[in-house]
Amino acid sequence: DAKTTQPPSMDCAEGRAANLPCNHSTISGNEYVYWYRQIHSQGPQYIIHGLKNNETNEMASLIITEDRKSSTLILPHATLRDTAVYYCIVRVISGSARQLTFGSGTQLTVLP
Amino acid sequence: DAGVTQSPTHLIKTRGQQVTLRCSPKSGHDTVSWYQQALGQGPQFIFQYYEEEERQRGNFPDRFSGHQFPNYSSELNVNALLLGDSALYLCASSLRRGSQPQHFGDGTRLSIL
Repeated sequence: DAKTTQPPSMDCAEGRAANLPCNHSTISGNEYVYWYRQIHSQGPQYIIHGLKNNETNEMASLIITEDRKSSTLILPHATLRDTAVYYCIVRVISGSARQLTFGSGTQLTVLP
Repeated sequence: DAGVTQSPTHLIKTRGQQVTLRCSPKSGHDTVSWYQQALGQGPQFIFQYYEEEERQRGNFPDRFSGHQFPNYSSELNVNALLLGDSALYLCASSLRRGSQPQHFGDGTRLSIL
């Protein structure tokens, strides 16, 4: 699976949009981009995933660049409860390669 | 609809002992993966079970073993515990095929004294 690069930490004001970047310049055509977050003392929580089109769900939006070498997770109106470590993961979809390879992630702190 | 459940939530053991951790997958899921998360680090893949067999394994010694039951639930066993085995152990479940995500439980916090 392709390696990802994320900033170690970011701050965001409560109520504002949080934009979390991820670089995956070696991504292959059959690799999806997944985002998870982990709030302290809890298991990772799935947020969203996509292949090449932008995706939106009730939690967030995922913007993938046209060359697929980077993506941005957008939390439209950040709240204090969004403070967490956010992981960007690239994974091949096949029957034999389904493990998730976590990096260090981005610690997002939402400030009041 | 219950998500992934793990037991126990916390466990304290001493060096050399053996431990068994349990996981019940999300309803409808057939694949279980186990991860180890040391303090301050991202989760590391241990192994994955599907159809009651270990299908893939990360870089962990044979002291780590597992089992999957016909109802898809799973156990993680660790023998000859070391101080370095202290970590949060996470179970994730998913469907074997497709792009749908893995769903995680809240883990078992294992402390080795």
